[in-house]
Amino acid sequence: EPEVTQTPSHQVTQMGQEVILRCVPISNHLYFYWYRQILGQKVEFLVSFYNNEISEKSEIFDDQFSVERPDGSNFTLKIRSTKLEDSAMYFCASSEGRASDTQYFGPGTRLTVL
Amino acid sequence: QQQVKQSPQSLIVQKGGIPIINCAYENTAFDYFPWYQQFPGKGPALLIAIRPDVSEKKEGRFTISFNKSAKQFSLHIMDSQPGDSATYFCAASKAGNQFYFGTGTSLTVIP
Repeated sequence: EPEVTQTPSHQVTQMGQEVILRCVPISNHLYFYWYRQILGQKVEFLVSFYNNEISEKSEIFDDQFSVERPDGSNFTLKIRSTKLEDSAMYFCASSEGRASDTQYFGPGTRLTVL
Repeated sequence: QQQVKQSPQSLIVQKGGIPIINCAYENTAFDYFPWYQQFPGKGPALLIAIRPDVSEKKEGRFTISFNKSAKQFSLHIMDSQPGDSATYFCAASKAGNQFYFGTGTSLTVIP
């Protein structure tokens, strides 16, 4: 069964450093998403991406964040200058299309900012 | 404003019991209501989902009940098993846009 994959599984970085989290969505999917989950809290939406542009973003997704689909398979989330409060699990998700609605989540990347 | 409210925060049942998790939503434009199951250290996995044109959907031991007028929906797990112990999140979305997740329910099924 096709699945969303994410790398790395755990990333440790120093405050102020840039990090790039990588995702490979399911191959025939057209919509891509990033969510985050601070330890013990609910999953929060960051951004959705379709046709090489951001279609929706939340208040959390400020100028420190950016997304990119650098090639036909990868989808990345970049945090330019990490803060302590960026420590969280980051989940990538993808869906086949608007009509299908179902979003499939990857296993997540645990980001720890020291 | 919390778009989706979920209760209870935690739930403990005996094996074979029927845990019920409730969610309420604010936005009447929501048209898709999934439930996700999450094990520690893993990503959320879709369990079952419903649209507002039906009042109930059943898949295996999992049933969603949906009350459009009350803007509420709930997950029932029949014949619960220790392997069902996980965190359950309800969510809501409109037209394939972002999911608004509930705060999660930690379910423990005691053997």
